[in-house]
Amino acid sequence: AQTVTQSQPEMSVQEAETVTLSCTYDTSENNYYLFWYKQPPSRQMILVIRQEAYKQQNATENRFSVNFQKAAKSFSLKISDSQLGDTAMYFCAFHATGGAQKLVFGQGTRLTINP
Amino acid sequence: ETGVTQTPRHLVMGMTNKKSLKCEQHLGHNAMYWYKQSAKKPLELMFVYSLEERVENNSVPSRFSPECPNSSHLFLHLHTLQPEDSALYLCASSQELASGPTDTQYFGPGTRLTVL
Repeated sequence: AQTVTQSQPEMSVQEAETVTLSCTYDTSENNYYLFWYKQPPSRQMILVIRQEAYKQQNATENRFSVNFQKAAKSFSLKISDSQLGDTAMYFCAFHATGGAQKLVFGQGTRLTINP
Repeated sequence: ETGVTQTPRHLVMGMTNKKSLKCEQHLGHNAMYWYKQSAKKPLELMFVYSLEERVENNSVPSRFSPECPNSSHLFLHLHTLQPEDSALYLCASSQELASGPTDTQYFGPGTRLTVL
């Protein structure tokens, strides 16, 4: 079974700083997708960024980028030039490409951006 | 409306009540999901539907009964719930269940359920 672990329950940084959220996962699969989802307070969960395991190049989306280390089964999210609107719960998630069609989530990291 | 919508947004019910949660997606997707989000726990997948057929029931108690009348609508019927069932119930949809770029799931805002 796949598991996803986010070791930082809470983090806070000052606006404009860079912050990195950690995520590790455990799987015996070779092909899979990894995701970071953002859930702002009282708002909808939205996809931030997605990484395909067979791609070595780290995914980037504007101020969001990942550091994907397949051998270490690590998938961290870096937020550059953080903004107040980045305050949210961030969930790391795993989805194998075969077998059970299940998105497995980590426990989440509550990120607060302070003015 | 666009995206995934859920009603009601908040629900308070007694343990003997029967209620239903509704989810509607306006994205033309073929797969829909129910998740339970409890405090300090990872999201738990409850049910998966593909083309209106249930493809996964993740060991959910029978007091939760899903229904998918068409690919755009998903219901979760609730009866004789327990206080520990209080949580945020999220609905999601994706283009297909198959692997690939269509894996991305789009979430609704959730229904905050409180069972007294």
